[in-house]
Amino acid sequence: QVQLVQSGAEVKKPGASVKLSCKASGYTFTGYSIHWVRQAPGQGLEWVGWIIPPSGDTNYAQKFQGRVTITRDTSSNTVYMELSSLESDDTAVYHCARGNYDSTGWADFWGQGTLVTVSS
Amino acid sequence: SYVLTQPPSVSAAPGQTARFTCGGNNIGSKSVHWYQQRPGQAPVLVVYDDSDRRSGIPERFSGSNSGNTATLTISRVEAGDEADYYCQVWDSLTDHVVFGGGTKLTVL
Repeated sequence: QVQLVQSGAEVKKPGASVKLSCKASGYTFTGYSIHWVRQAPGQGLEWVGWIIPPSGDTNYAQKFQGRVTITRDTSSNTVYMELSSLESDDTAVYHCARGNYDSTGWADFWGQGTLVTVSS
Repeated sequence: SYVLTQPPSVSAAPGQTARFTCGGNNIGSKSVHWYQQRPGQAPVLVVYDDSDRRSGIPERFSGSNSGNTATLTISRVEAGDEADYYCQVWDSLTDHVVFGGGTKLTVL
């Protein structure tokens, strides 16, 4: 069965960076894109970016350009998202989700989410 | 950038019909996908490509899309349907994913 298992909760200070992981299993890793979506407490879903695992191509929401990097390791079927220059507004649950091959469609499987808390 | 507009809340009594709208400029030309998110859980895809129900989703869930509004309809609402519902599209101009702000369903 398709599974996306994310790394554990993180607590960071303002200005620091955080790197989250998302390990995929149960399907052909290189056949689907991976999206990152975050949700601040009490707020809606906010798309962060995507990666196409075979090529490593990425695209990021304008809001995060220059601060986010999504990478992948095809040998371990794992996608990473690094967010730098953290601020308190980055406190959120970050989900990875499987999209279609070229990232243009829906996300059919989601990770359990990773809570990132940014606090001094 | 492309914007999707959803009302913040919808309410319906058990057995009634709940309708969730998602507004966007000429959204009828795009494929719209809908997610259900219960408190403390990850989102779940319920409808994709405007009106296709994901496997395992009850027939009570249906979708449509035309003009400037897409709609998710839940017929015969049940207490277990209480959740937040989000619409989503892909913006071909930016190659970005866009989510609506979400609508909270309260079952009376």
